[in-house]
Amino acid sequence: DTAVSQTPKYLVTQMGNDKSIKCEQNLGHDTMYWYKQDSKKFLKIMFSYNNKELIINETVPNRFSPKSPDKAHLNLHINSLELGDSAVYFCASSQVGLAGGGEQYFGPGTRLTVT
Amino acid sequence: AQSVAQPEDQVNVAEGNPLTVKCTYSVSGNPYLFWYVQYPNRGLQFLLKYITGDNLVKGSYGFEAEFNKSQTSFHLKKPSALVSDSALYFCAVRDKGSNQGGKLIFGQGTELSVKP
Repeated sequence: DTAVSQTPKYLVTQMGNDKSIKCEQNLGHDTMYWYKQDSKKFLKIMFSYNNKELIINETVPNRFSPKSPDKAHLNLHINSLELGDSAVYFCASSQVGLAGGGEQYFGPGTRLTVT
Repeated sequence: AQSVAQPEDQVNVAEGNPLTVKCTYSVSGNPYLFWYVQYPNRGLQFLLKYITGDNLVKGSYGFEAEFNKSQTSFHLKKPSALVSDSALYFCAVRDKGSNQGGKLIFGQGTELSVKP
């Protein structure tokens, strides 16, 4: 029973196209995140949503637009794809505000290749 | 500003030997500290966390980590390494007092290689 799932797992597309990645969590968490992992494996947060409200927006080009239809889903839409967008994108979720620390649980990742 | 440093890009260990993966952090307040492991072509898996209390925390797969406030460190350890422990390990920190929606700051990762 997958806790955090993402689709698609692989995405190959051409420059200038628009694409979306979907994420769903069944952990009942209130906060979801998008991360980008570059070719050097460096992990950088892009966005965070808490109960459908945007909390974190980290200097990401406005070609990237997250959308959270409900607290179990967080999608990422990317317009006018560029070569530099090639990376692995991870979705994660956590329950923030508890005394337990709010560890994040990650999806399997979406490998985006822009040609 | 919060930051995490993992000073070693790669750690090589022989199977059966103890392993240590180092992590130091910087936060303005008190930290929550985490370790994650990433196997090839997989997402990050949560290993363990420090919130408060006992400085030695135990986690999954026999891993443990020691919180040292004076040295601002949170090194990951295992008494006896397995070949299957070979993976990329990430340390992460969150400021307890932060209202940034649970934002974690990750280190750059340490590649652990365990040879038979």
